[in-house]
Amino acid sequence: GAGVSQTPSNKVTEKGKYVELRCDPISGHTALYWYRQSLGQGPEFLIYFQGTGAADDSGLPNDRFFAVRPEGSVSTLKIQRTERGDSAVYLCASSPAASTGELFFGEGSRLTVL
Amino acid sequence: GENVEQHPSTLSVQEGDSAVIKCTYSDSASNYFPWYKQELGKRPQLIIDIRSNVGEKKDQRIAVTLNKTAKHFSLHITETQPEDSAVYFCAASRWNNNDMRFGAGTRLTVKP
Repeated sequence: GAGVSQTPSNKVTEKGKYVELRCDPISGHTALYWYRQSLGQGPEFLIYFQGTGAADDSGLPNDRFFAVRPEGSVSTLKIQRTERGDSAVYLCASSPAASTGELFFGEGSRLTVL
Repeated sequence: GENVEQHPSTLSVQEGDSAVIKCTYSDSASNYFPWYKQELGKRPQLIIDIRSNVGEKKDQRIAVTLNKTAKHFSLHITETQPEDSAVYFCAASRWNNNDMRFGAGTRLTVKP
């Protein structure tokens, strides 16, 4: 596609529910990143994929958060037992390879946990 | 891990004036320093970046300087225009990007 696509753009859920956020990177980009951005803050690193494998998941805040990229393209960020503190914009980014520099961001998925 | 600090958090300038945003980083192994611009409700977009083998890079009205010894780098915008108003983020990472960390952002307002 023309750019990184994220769905849904907005998600409102209740505390304790399960949520999935999807990222469709730019075609051919092997590196994929998930960030979380709270209001007035910079993007906070969550997880990085190189191909199908999670090369670095050190940013995931706890075991309620999990992400997959089974075929090396689309990725899904999964959040179990959501809490109000999970409310944020979840940004996905991709790049052609890990060492080329620029990250191409999607528009983000705004998650609100009531 | 890497820790990036950015200041000021807000900056207001008159159209035509210069704006300077500064960042410091903690990991001496970091060697890639991009700057992203994020307009309200939009995605962050790269505006300029610098690698550690150079001390300065310029692209029209935008320049970035890097001091590896002091572990700080700065964004300079000259002849500011109202469309420069946005939030600017600095970031730092090692060569493979997988540990890129962002600063908290600077909200720049350019008053006409």
